[in-house]
Amino acid sequence: EAQVTQNPRYLITVTGKKLTVTCSQNMNHEYMSWYRQDPGLGLRQIYYSMNVEVTDKGDVPEGYKVSRKEKRNFPLILESPSPNQTSLYFCASRTQRWSNQPQHFGDGTRLSIL
Amino acid sequence: RKEVEQDPGPFNVPEGATVAFNCTYSNSASQSFFWYRQDCRKEPKLLMSVYSSGNEDGRFTAQLNRASQYISLLIRDSKLSDSATYLCVVNIVTGTASKLTFGTGTRLQVTL
Repeated sequence: EAQVTQNPRYLITVTGKKLTVTCSQNMNHEYMSWYRQDPGLGLRQIYYSMNVEVTDKGDVPEGYKVSRKEKRNFPLILESPSPNQTSLYFCASRTQRWSNQPQHFGDGTRLSIL
Repeated sequence: RKEVEQDPGPFNVPEGATVAFNCTYSNSASQSFFWYRQDCRKEPKLLMSVYSSGNEDGRFTAQLNRASQYISLLIRDSKLSDSATYLCVVNIVTGTASKLTFGTGTRLQVTL
């Protein structure tokens, strides 16, 4: 089954404790991205990657890092999480070949930073 | 001004009603358009792409007006299961890069 898988689904942690949210897709998609969703603000892009070893900042990259060492994986790293990073996070992917194609989303990760 | 604007609602309609949502976008370089549906605390799922000539998928009709830079979604014969938030999404392509911009969504509540 074609899917985007995120882990963990839920995480409560404390300020300053490094964490990584994993994202994996099995559709051989070149393009992957991370979003956060907050009430009243909609989905905002954090980082995106157009292919292996190619990453770029989205609209709200501060406080986040990403890596793209393999095509299928695109982890989101919070080196020193802070309470304002409490949010619902989505990973998404699509083919890059046809850049007007819609994205497939993971189930989401709900992060709470205390 | 937001790049993609939607009325947040909620739109409360009885079952069987017809309801329409509009969305406006500010970047005239926008090239492709979508409606996504998002249920509470779940991931967005593609409802339909929006084509210049307008397109229909069962009870759902999407329209695009490039001159006025707005997109619409019409839902006929609303069902209880249509209750969700509907996200308007605009894709801007520049060279080999593309960026999706999401509206904040319009909430629909269909009641008995």
